[in-house]
Amino acid sequence: GQQLNQSPQSMFIQEGEDVSMNCTSSSIFNTWLWYKQDPGEGPVLLIALYKAGELTSNGRLTAQFGITRKDSFLNISASIPSDVGIYFCAGLDFGNEKLTFGTGTRLTIIP
Amino acid sequence: NAGVTQTPKFQVLKTGQSMTLQCAQDMNHNSMYWYRQDPGMGLRLIYYSASEGTTDKGEVPNGYNVSRLNKREFSLRLESAAPSQTSVYFCASSRVAGARLFGEQFFGPGTRLTVL
Repeated sequence: GQQLNQSPQSMFIQEGEDVSMNCTSSSIFNTWLWYKQDPGEGPVLLIALYKAGELTSNGRLTAQFGITRKDSFLNISASIPSDVGIYFCAGLDFGNEKLTFGTGTRLTIIP
Repeated sequence: NAGVTQTPKFQVLKTGQSMTLQCAQDMNHNSMYWYRQDPGMGLRLIYYSASEGTTDKGEVPNGYNVSRLNKREFSLRLESAAPSQTSVYFCASSRVAGARLFGEQFFGPGTRLTVL
């Protein structure tokens, strides 16, 4: 099955740093979603993007739907300890009833 | 409003045993999904139900069966558990399947299954 290429696989940063991660696909998607998964919990939806070029913010999080519709980006500004977790991108296209998920980016904050 | 609930939270089985994982949602969503999550593999779709009365295979359906009991409930059954089915299982729901809007999926807390 298809999975999205998500990078980096892991990040080790200090509190207060900004974070950037991205997701790329060989296929076009019409919707991009970003989820966060805390240890021992299910993924929680952070941001949904519906249009190519769209830039959407949710607090310190900003995500963009790439112009080519084959990629998406997530930025976190001024990271805090509760940002620790795994971030997943997911893509949806009109011809498919199923989401395609990325392999995740694990974010760790170094004390 | 509890969202998506799953039972049990943890389960240990012996090879060959059977069990059913339960999932319920109270958001009046039409579509429901079962995923498994393995280290380094992300989320892989096992089965989904686009609407009440329908079920379809996902990426990794072998060894599993599902039942959409009603609009709220979607269960996953392992008829003869194998060690390869050791994983974390997540149920999710969305208002509709595959739509530009309302296709966003909301996840339950997961069931951690170990097969010995």
